[in-house]
This record gives sequence, C-alpha cells and structure tokens, in this order.
Amino acid sequence: KNEVEQSPQNLTAQEGEFITINCSYSVGISALHWLQQHPGGGIVSLFMLSSGKKKHGRLIATINIQEKHSSLHITASHPRDSAVYICASTNPIQGAQKLVFGQGTRLTINP
Amino acid sequence: DGGITQSPKYLFRKEGQNVTLSCEQNLNHDAMYWYRQDPGQGLRLIYYSQIVNDFQKGDIAEGYSVSREKKESFPLTVTSAQKNPTAFYLCASSILSPLAGGPNEQFFGPGTRLTVL
Repeated sequence: KNEVEQSPQNLTAQEGEFITINCSYSVGISALHWLQQHPGGGIVSLFMLSSGKKKHGRLIATINIQEKHSSLHITASHPRDSAVYICASTNPIQGAQKLVFGQGTRLTINP
Repeated sequence: DGGITQSPKYLFRKEGQNVTLSCEQNLNHDAMYWYRQDPGQGLRLIYYSQIVNDFQKGDIAEGYSVSREKKESFPLTVTSAQKNPTAFYLCASSILSPLAGGPNEQFFGPGTRLTVL
C-alpha cells in the first residue's frame, strides 16, 4: 500500500526565513505533486515532478527517487505564503489518475 | 476564463436527505474526480471518471453516487446511506496522458463544505 507522510505537520516561521517541507512515500511512483491549499479551501497545483528539481519563483521542489523523498522549499518567505502544503503521489500500480495524499503541512509566516 | 466551478460553497442538509453537489469544468478535460477532506486527514478519492458515461469507485465510494452524462459536468450525490457526510468536498479535473499510465496535473475547484444538521 502506498503511503505518503509529510513533516512537519505544523510550521511557524518569521518573514524572510527559508522554509523546508518534507514528504516521504513508500512505493515507487509515477510522479510527486505539491499542492497549496489556502484558508478558503481551494487547492492550487504547484509542481508535478518525477525526477530532479523544479523551480517557480521562490518555490523549489526536489525529489530523490532512490530515497523516496521529496522536499518543497520556500525562499524569502512572506506572510502570503501561509497555507497548507500537501504532497501527493501517483504510482503505476494504482494508476496514474489516482493521487495518494499526505496529511498536509500547515505553514504560518509571521510578519 | 477556464476553470472548475463547484456549487454551492456551503450546503446544509438534514439527516436522511440526499443532496447533490455540482462540479462543472470548461477546460476540456477528459478526467474528473471527487475528493473528500476531513480535518487532520489527507484528501481521499470518492469517484473518478475518465470518459463520458463511465466512472470508477475510489477508496471511499460507499454512500455516494455520481454521473457523467456530459464531459463538462460530474455531479456527486451524497445519499442518506453515507454515515458521516459532514466534510469538505473537492472536485478536480485533468487531461488524460497520451502515454498510457502517465501522470497528469489535476486542477481543483473551490470546494463545497457540507454540513449535516
């Protein structure tokens, strides 16, 4: 069974700090997704990656296939980055369309 | 603007009543999904559909039903058989990968918060 674990569950930091959120998964995957959920509930897809590293603005996502681990980094964090960050995986066994979600990391950035 | 809409945003239901949540997309996506989110838990898949007039059960389909009569629409009915329906419901859609088994980015709607009174 594929399981996705995130750490930490909650993270509070000061504006400007470098943020790292971690995600581990238990079986080989097709892709690893990072999602952002704002307090209103809507979810935005940030990254989908199956190897290496992707960067978008101040956000960087990395994945280590051998270690079954991915990280989401936020540089120069800002209060507007406060949200729940969710990682999710798809794997060939369960099918490419079925996402398995972590529990989320609640990030709070204080001014 | 292209996107996914869900309505209503908040829904209240009395115990024993069926209720239907709407999900519409104008992204021309083939695949659509329904997820349930409970506090402290990850999203869980209820149903998904890859093509009109076809859909598959997800991990927690009991007490729910769906239809896919049009490509743009994937309504979810929460029936009275669902024992604990109070939750946040999210609809999503994606293209189907041209490569069999390939992953795709999913686009999410704003969600419907259902409360059973």
